[in-house]
Amino acid sequence: NAGVTQTPKFQVLKTGQSMTLQCAQDMNHNSMYWYRQDPGMGLRLIYYSASEGTTDKGEVPNGYNVSRLNKREFSLRLESAAPSQTSVYFCASTFLGLNEKLFFGSGTQLSVL
Amino acid sequence: AQRVTQPEKLLSVFKGAPVELKCNYSYSGSPELFWYVQYSRQRLQLLLRHISRESIKGFTADLNKGETSFHLKKPFAQEEDSAMYYCALSPNSGNTPLVFGKGTRLSVIA
Repeated sequence: NAGVTQTPKFQVLKTGQSMTLQCAQDMNHNSMYWYRQDPGMGLRLIYYSASEGTTDKGEVPNGYNVSRLNKREFSLRLESAAPSQTSVYFCASTFLGLNEKLFFGSGTQLSVL
Repeated sequence: AQRVTQPEKLLSVFKGAPVELKCNYSYSGSPELFWYVQYSRQRLQLLLRHISRESIKGFTADLNKGETSFHLKKPFAQEEDSAMYYCALSPNSGNTPLVFGKGTRLSVIA
């Protein structure tokens, strides 16, 4: 039982490159989330998926897209990376209606040069 | 709109001293409040929630609706308490994503 798995753990991109961050959970959770963590800014919600088949914007969605591939997987795509997207990205999941008990992945450290 | 404020970015205390991590919130309804913790090289995890009124690792937090606060307290800090602490608010029961504060880094000095 791996919980929430994120790949890759580290990534360096050049400005303008694209990439997809992968997230998978094996806890049969309905809801999945993408956050970014920046010094002094805390955790900010990028996108979330309350249940399979739905996605919604969070606080800072610009420059990102998401795909809820199936119940287990929720990916985050940067189409044209910018230095302002340098951050640590966390995926989280929980059961629908229990969003206070979030289970987090170990994070992806992304640097955009 | 709901908002969570953690006024201290960094809090340093000596081992054995009391700890209080401040959290204030802004929400017109009846929120649910939580504390999450991220220890070094570990995943972010739920520490405690106000509805449970529990003590976890010696930490407690009381919801004060009059002062709109949910401060995290521990009477005697330990070195292993050093971590990043986030206060979070659930605007309604379950279906809206948590709103996190900016976090406070606690450093316990031996």
